[in-house]
Amino acid sequence: DAKTTQPNSMESNEEEPVHLPCNHSTISGTDYIHWYRQLPSQGPEYVIHGLTSNVNNRMASLAIAEDRKSSTLILHRATLRDAAVYYCILNAGGTSYGKLTFGQGTILTVHP
Amino acid sequence: DGGITQSPKYLFRKEGQNVTLSCEQNLNHDAMYWYRQDPGQGLRLIYYSQIVNDFQKGDIAEGYSVSREKKESFPLTVTSAQKNPTAFYLCASSPRGLGRDEQYFGPGTRLTVT
Repeated sequence: DAKTTQPNSMESNEEEPVHLPCNHSTISGTDYIHWYRQLPSQGPEYVIHGLTSNVNNRMASLAIAEDRKSSTLILHRATLRDAAVYYCILNAGGTSYGKLTFGQGTILTVHP
Repeated sequence: DGGITQSPKYLFRKEGQNVTLSCEQNLNHDAMYWYRQDPGQGLRLIYYSQIVNDFQKGDIAEGYSVSREKKESFPLTVTSAQKNPTAFYLCASSPRGLGRDEQYFGPGTRLTVT
């Protein structure tokens, strides 16, 4: 499985934008880039995913590098509720049956 | 409300006993998954099922068993063969189990075996 590399932790101030980076240099052409986040003692929550083009939804934006070897999750205005562990995951297409391989993730701290 | 339910939220068992964790979804999703999470770690895949009456082993299936007799239900049994069963167990589903599908997670069951 292709792996991802994320910083262990990041900090932000409330109402400021947050850019969470992810490196995936061994990504294959059929791998989708997924982002999930998890609060303590809760199940992960889907945030966003994409293949090649940048994506926007109500929660965040996903910027994907042209060579697809890295991506950035953008929270446009961080709130205290955005404090969580953020996981960048490659979800292979084809016959992988949507298997998610979680790494350590990035712990995001949001200061009031 | 549509979603995934897991019960119970907390479960305590004695070593040597089998225990079954419940997972139900009313999202009409084809695929369902079981993950295990240990403190400070990411999730690891135990089993997954893309269709009724079919399931596949994930990365850490030893000591676990599953069934998928109904589309809505995917129970996980933690057997006495699982050497370190104490963990947070998460169930998920996705529409078709494809790489482009998002997964929806339940609230989890925290199992403690003493």
